[in-house]
Amino acid sequence: DIQMTQSPSSLSASVGDTVTIACRASQSISTHLNWYRQRPGTAPKLLMYAASSLQSGVPSRFSGSGSGTDFTLTITSLQPEDFATYYCQQSYSVPTFGGGTKVEIK
Amino acid sequence: QVQLQESGPGLVKPSETLSLTCSVSGDSFSNFFWTWLRQPPGKGLEWIGYVYYNGRTSHNYNASLKSRVIISADTSINQFSLQLSSLTAADTAVYYCARARAGMTSSYYGLDVWGPGTTVTVS
Repeated sequence: DIQMTQSPSSLSASVGDTVTIACRASQSISTHLNWYRQRPGTAPKLLMYAASSLQSGVPSRFSGSGSGTDFTLTITSLQPEDFATYYCQQSYSVPTFGGGTKVEIK
Repeated sequence: QVQLQESGPGLVKPSETLSLTCSVSGDSFSNFFWTWLRQPPGKGLEWIGYVYYNGRTSHNYNASLKSRVIISADTSINQFSLQLSSLTAADTAVYYCARARAGMTSSYYGLDVWGPGTTVTVS
């Protein structure tokens, strides 16, 4: 299986900040990388697919980049609803997820 | 607007078989990967497997669970199901059903619709 590693595991930020979350794959996955946001007690929500494509209905403050093994999710102008846990997921082979990055209020 | 809803028992005994159903409303059943995932308490997400229907049915399962998992579909009532046998406490988790649009791989376009999840405790 392809292993996905996210960093950091948690971070603190304020409303209006810009945050960046990293995700690294154990082997090249081209751009087969998706990002999700999960608020406590709710199901994950798809934000980005194919590394840099914004899912329909998702605000443009979310952006993704990367290819091969290294990827990033950037959130500009952080909103209250963005304090949540973020997961990357590779779609190159049998799906696997990163361990998550929790974005907390500073 | 497509909606998914999981149903099934909240408590099952060790060694028994878990049966969960996901009801799909608001969209066609064809040409999507209907997927099960789970999330143990306080932990990350684990993909269990999918069933795909385009006139014929195909499946794929997580290798670590393959010997215990069956995912099936009843296209006449737009439902798909998960059976997980030989349960242990390690199977305690929130179980989600989700949908992925057909693409280069089973989740190339991401899992774009999720059910709310159902909590299963093995005890």
